[in-house]
Formats: sequence, C-alpha cells, structure tokens
Amino acid sequence: KNEVEQSPQNLTAQEGEFITINCSYSVGISALHWLQQHPGGGIVSLFMLSSGKKKHGRLIATINIQEKHSSLHITASHPRDSAVYICAVMMGDTDKLIFGTGTRLQVFP
Amino acid sequence: EADIYQTPRYLVIGTGKKITLECSQTMGHDKMYWYQQDPGMELHLIHYSYGVNSTEKGDLSSESTVSRIRTEHFPLTLESARPSHTSQYLCASSEYRLPLAHSGANVLTFGAGSRLTVL
Repeated sequence: KNEVEQSPQNLTAQEGEFITINCSYSVGISALHWLQQHPGGGIVSLFMLSSGKKKHGRLIATINIQEKHSSLHITASHPRDSAVYICAVMMGDTDKLIFGTGTRLQVFP
Repeated sequence: EADIYQTPRYLVIGTGKKITLECSQTMGHDKMYWYQQDPGMELHLIHYSYGVNSTEKGDLSSESTVSRIRTEHFPLTLESARPSHTSQYLCASSEYRLPLAHSGANVLTFGAGSRLTVL
C-alpha cells in the first residue's frame, strides 16, 4: 500500500467547473506539498502546508492533520490548468519526501 | 536569480558506460533529492541528502551513488548504465522557512530534468 494516495487518478472537466483533488497519507508528516507537472516534465510547487488552508489565485489547498488528508481545489477551471497534480509529504522523522501517484487533470473548453 | 540546474538535459549512451548527472542549486538549501520518473508514471526517490556529507538511500538506490561535498552540488553517478536505467531523472531541493504558516509556496524547487537513454 502506498504511503501517499491520491484520488481520482484521472479527472476531466469542462471549463469553469470547480475541481477537487484528494490526498490521503498514512505516515507522520511535517509538511505536505501540492505540485503541478505540465507535459514535458517541469514540476512547480504550488503550496506547502502544515496546517489549515492556503489560497493562491484560483487554487485553494487544505489539510486536516488529524484525518491525514489534504485537498486541492481549483475554482473556475481553465484549459491551462490541465496538468498532473501531485501530492508529496515530508515525513516527520526523516524529512524524506514521498510522492503520490498524481492526478491527471484535463479541462476542456 | 535563485534556481536549480541539471546537466545534461538529454543523454544517449551505450550499455556499460559510467555516467554522472549533475545537479546544482543556488538557494543554499540543505535538503536535496534525486527522483526517477518514467513517462506518465509517479516519481520514485533514488537518493536524498540533509546537508554536506549526509546522504541517504531511497527506494531505487541500489545501482547508483551520490555525493554531497558542497551544499550547492548533488551529483548522481551510475557506475555501469543499463537499458533499464532509461528514464527521466529529476533533482529537487527544499528548505523550511519558519514559521511555516508564513512561508512562501516556493520552498520546494525542481530542476528541469535529465532524460537518459541507454542503448
């Protein structure tokens, strides 16, 4: 069983829809990252969370430490949001960074 | 401008060759990582480092080695390349900026990757 699991694995949406991607983890963590990887491989860090909620533009990330769960929301989705979204956790005891399998999002006009 | 650099971006070599993939960052981050990623697949941790002279093995480390003699430099070496090593290799670095609640988003930075093909 993966220590970090994401759902759904694939997601398609119409432009303007509200999108939620979920991440659950089974280990103690010190922080959780949400990353975006576009075709061609470049990875960009979107958020780092240790508690609560963060917002940046149309993106919102939340984390519930007790439930070991985080969500990434995209409001008013746009075709340029099409990418793979990856959840990664920094393990609390080792600082090792463990990645989820990613969620492939496609937003159609 | 602070960044993380990987060279070479693309490499095609024959089986049995020794290769070193370079990774350098100018941000003074203590933590650095090497990941392997096949097309459309998840990232797998190969090695990581907490700082100078500190290295740890990840999940796929058995056929490669790393060194961390300087903070900014974290090279990955394959002693004898095989076709199964054909993949993309991504280097990353990170640092906490306390308090976390006020940290910016960009405390985890990835290089552009090195795409290796072993014939």
